[in-house]
Amino acid sequence: EPEVTQTPSHQVTQMGQEVILRCVPISNHLYFYWYRQILGQKVEFLVSFYNNEISEKSEIFDDQFSVERPDGSNFTLKIRSTKLEDSAMYFCASGGGAGNQPQHFGDGTRLSIL
Amino acid sequence: AQSVTQPDIHITVSEGASLELRCNYSYGATPYLFWYVQSPGQGLQLLLKYFSGDTLVQGIKGFEAEFKRSQSSFNLRKPSVHWSDAAEYFCAVGAGGAQKLVFGQGTRLTINP
Repeated sequence: EPEVTQTPSHQVTQMGQEVILRCVPISNHLYFYWYRQILGQKVEFLVSFYNNEISEKSEIFDDQFSVERPDGSNFTLKIRSTKLEDSAMYFCASGGGAGNQPQHFGDGTRLSIL
Repeated sequence: AQSVTQPDIHITVSEGASLELRCNYSYGATPYLFWYVQSPGQGLQLLLKYFSGDTLVQGIKGFEAEFKRSQSSFNLRKPSVHWSDAAEYFCAVGAGGAQKLVFGQGTRLTINP
């Protein structure tokens, strides 16, 4: 069964540094998402992406965040200047978008900001 | 705005016992409802979904859930749990397959041998 893959599984970064989290969505899906889960808290929506542009973003997704689909397969989340509070598990998801297809999630990238 | 409440943060059941995890949602239109499971260090795996039609939906691993519009609930059930069911369970609501998901706080399930 096709799956969403994320790299790296764990990223440790100094505060203030830029970080890029990578995702390969399921190949025939049209919608892409990033969510995050701070330790012990609920999973929160960050951004959705369709047709090469952001379709919706949350209040969390401020100017420090950006997303890109640089080629036909990858979907990236960039945090320009990381803060301690960016430490979380970041999940990528993709969905077909047609009809009632649910979102499929990757295993996540654990981001630790020092 | 959409919201999801999972009233039970932690539930412990004995292996072989039945299970019900509660989920209440708030949404202005017909919701799309999901249950995901997260094992330690893993991603979110879809257990089941409700979009329309039969209010009792079957999922993977022997789980089922019942949509009750009058109670704004979508409780997850399993007649007999296995030790491998120990995990975190998340209920989520969406406006449609392409829309963002709003998750509940999660319920951590512990299985006693």
